[in-house]
Amino acid sequence: GAGVSQSPSNKVTEKGKDVELRCDPISGHTALYWYRQRLGQGLEFLIYFQGNSAPDKSGLPSDRFSAERTGESVSTLTIQRTQQEDSAVYLCASSLLAGGSEQYFGPGTRLTVT
Amino acid sequence: GQQLNQSPQSMFIQEGEDVSMNCTSSSIFNTWLWYKQDPGEGPVLLIALYKAGELTSNGRLTAQFGITRKDSFLNISASIPSDVGIYFCAGQSSGTSYGKLTFGQGTILTVHP
Repeated sequence: GAGVSQSPSNKVTEKGKDVELRCDPISGHTALYWYRQRLGQGLEFLIYFQGNSAPDKSGLPSDRFSAERTGESVSTLTIQRTQQEDSAVYLCASSLLAGGSEQYFGPGTRLTVT
Repeated sequence: GQQLNQSPQSMFIQEGEDVSMNCTSSSIFNTWLWYKQDPGEGPVLLIALYKAGELTSNGRLTAQFGITRKDSFLNISASIPSDVGIYFCAGQSSGTSYGKLTFGQGTILTVHP
């Protein structure tokens, strides 16, 4: 597709369960980013993948959060043992160049932990 | 850590009015960006600024990168109903923070026809 796509668009899970969120970046984009947006808030950086280099994981809030990316394609964000405070919209973005400031966002996955 | 203060938090204006919003930072950024987010959508990039003092326009939108590198503003002229949404500023710095964007809290814009 032409833009960044994410799935699922909505996810409701019970507290304590694991969830996986998927992101398909724009084809040819080197860098991929995950952000979290709590209700009524701005976006918080989570993790950044830059080609074949080690990812910048400095924004991950706890060791329950992890992410993987295969080459320059799909990425998955995994949250283990979900807590209610994990409820948020998780947004993925990609940029053409590593560290590119012009980041293009997907529609997000709305995660609700009950 | 880096923080962006965006103001105002919300604005209610009449169609045709001009709008101004701004962001200030406690630290320097090398790039400033402005995004718009519609309900249920991801943010859409409006304007990117790369140089201190730079003034850039995109249609009815004009944004400036402050000389101190710690602030930016966005103006929207002659607002129309489809300008409704949440506007976010974002900054990117070099060094250890390279890559990630730091976002403001957003300005909610409502335009009355």
